[in-house]
Amino acid sequence: DAGITQSPRHKVTETGTPVTLRCHQTENHRYMYWYRQDPGHGLRLIHYSYGVKDTDKGEVSDGYSVSRSKTEDFLLTLESATSSQTSVYFCAIGVQGALSGYTFGSGTRLTVV
Amino acid sequence: ILNVEQSPQSLHVQEGDSTNFTCSFPSSNFYALHWYRWETAKSPEALFVMTLNGDEKKKGRISATLNTKEGYSYLYIKGSQPEDSATYLCAFRDDKIIFGKGTRLHILP
Repeated sequence: DAGITQSPRHKVTETGTPVTLRCHQTENHRYMYWYRQDPGHGLRLIHYSYGVKDTDKGEVSDGYSVSRSKTEDFLLTLESATSSQTSVYFCAIGVQGALSGYTFGSGTRLTVV
Repeated sequence: ILNVEQSPQSLHVQEGDSTNFTCSFPSSNFYALHWYRWETAKSPEALFVMTLNGDEKKKGRISATLNTKEGYSYLYIKGSQPEDSATYLCAFRDDKIIFGKGTRLHILP
């Protein structure tokens, strides 16, 4: 998607290993979000950021941490991956107060074996 | 935790027929209601952002209405086409967006 990229697109990792997913934007948006998509659950918010070094937890934040050291990058880290974290992860960017919807990245498919 | 409910969960519609589905959300502390269209193997794409009670939005054959007092929004598709097959997500927004689980629409040829 224009203006927002996620990396990697696919990853397979072993239980107990750390994993970092990257979301990069070129839109200079203040707000960035990490969601996970699971069958029967839709999109669930993990963490979000409302500015550099300003982050907050979403509804499923346990086992995840985030960092935002610059406007364009929002990193999601699984400190010690578990099989329950096998999912598709989406990053989104948005403008607070805007009447436009959020823009999503293409997703990262993570498999923890 | 905010609860956003969508119904039905899944829907099969004959090509050419019109259809609609529902999103229910908390009626207090309302800021905005979003609708997204999500095709398989792609990312969600914004359809509408609605903020005012009584709002009606339209894009081609797709339209949406909003009732913030009772906490619901309807999405309508007129004359369904195969390309309308997708999952339609609604999302309630206060300081962050909370998504419903979506309505999966299948258009039958």
